[in-house]
Amino acid sequence: DAEITQSPRHKITETGRQVTLACHQTWNHNNMFWYRQDLGHGLRLIHYSYGVQDTNKGEVSDGYSVSRSNTEDLPLTLESAASSQTSVYFCASSESGGSNIQYFGAGTRLSVL
Amino acid sequence: GENVEQHPSTLSVQEGDSAVIKCTYSDSASNYFPWYKQELGKRPQLIIDIRSNVGEKKDQRIAVTLNKTAKHFSLHITETQPEDSAVYFCAPNQAGTALIFGKGTTLSVSS
Repeated sequence: DAEITQSPRHKITETGRQVTLACHQTWNHNNMFWYRQDLGHGLRLIHYSYGVQDTNKGEVSDGYSVSRSNTEDLPLTLESAASSQTSVYFCASSESGGSNIQYFGAGTRLSVL
Repeated sequence: GENVEQHPSTLSVQEGDSAVIKCTYSDSASNYFPWYKQELGKRPQLIIDIRSNVGEKKDQRIAVTLNKTAKHFSLHITETQPEDSAVYFCAPNQAGTALIFGKGTTLSVSS
């Protein structure tokens, strides 16, 4: 079955370290998204991509970067992790055109100490 | 950009009662109006959506109504059950673009 997977599911790191969260989908969706979820803030869009080599900044992109070298993957990199980036991170994907339904991964819980 | 507000932020009902959550938005170009449900510790999942050429859509116990003139749409859940307890998010947007979510409404259904 097609799916969207995130790894790792849990990560503890130290401030200042570079961290990369992986997102892989097998639906062949062109659109991929990264969100962070914090209490009181709901789901906030970090970065998104509408296809290979396309990336766009979302609402809270400072301190994060993404690259899209193929259809299946959109890794999220924290260049220099900060305690304010402690959060749950969700990746999602959707088809381009037609249905707008976003399918979410199971999430990655990141703690920056 | 889109400014999205959800009300109420928390809602407690008795099993069997109805629940209504309202979402207001600012971008008049929005033409796609979904609602997502997130159970505790789980991922968000779409439960119902509506497009701007339709005023109401129903799927068993849940329905969504849209008032484009007033820029709001609502989620209606009838005959609530304990398994409806979750956080509900609206995400009005232009079809094909990235979703901007509201801050969520926590629904608690007590038996």
